[in-house]
Amino acid sequence: DARVTQTPRHKVTEMGQEVTMRCQPILGHNTVFWYRQTMMQGLELLAYFRNRAPLDDSGMPKDRFSAEMPDATLATLKIQPSEPRDSAVYFCASGLVTFLGRGLGETQYFGPGTRLLVL
Amino acid sequence: LAKTTQPISMDSYEGQEVNITCSHNNIATNDYITWYQQFPSQGPRFIIQGYKTKVTNEVASLFIPADRKSSTLSLPRVSLSDTAVYYCLVGGAFYNQGGKLIFGQGTELSVKP
Repeated sequence: DARVTQTPRHKVTEMGQEVTMRCQPILGHNTVFWYRQTMMQGLELLAYFRNRAPLDDSGMPKDRFSAEMPDATLATLKIQPSEPRDSAVYFCASGLVTFLGRGLGETQYFGPGTRLLVL
Repeated sequence: LAKTTQPISMDSYEGQEVNITCSHNNIATNDYITWYQQFPSQGPRFIIQGYKTKVTNEVASLFIPADRKSSTLSLPRVSLSDTAVYYCLVGGAFYNQGGKLIFGQGTELSVKP
């Protein structure tokens, strides 16, 4: 049963420290999403990659967040420097764009998330 | 950008059928309707997807009327383990013709014994 994996599952750090979150998408999937979830804001899209190319990162605070896909099996999300307001659960999802008969469709498969706490 | 509207919360009892309706008045011609389920401390999980009429799988059914301006997720005979947040999304591939899938606030379903 193919799954998206994320590491670490939990991270506690101090304000100002760099945080790196990693995601291994499902083999063969050509899209990767990064989301942030908080009680107040719900699920917010941070970045989107298709075939490893970043197509949208408009949801990310550009001054401190960066997202990359160094290869097809690894996506990273970095926060530098981290702030207490970055505390949230960060989800990675991978998907496959397919033709569903009426147009292109895309189903997202989510990882278990990284629970980040910035003190 | 198709916006969706769902009830914020619903209550049910074990064994009942639960229907969650989602409104999407400005759905585009090529948009699909997809439902996700999220348990506490887990990522959302795909449940079902459809374009029109009725779709059924081992977990749920999805009813879409001819005008496609709404859709109803039907969960037959719910159990306590169906307590979760359910999200309705409308769109195609993320950047298909400028489309963008956005998770709304979802419907928090609480199943009671």
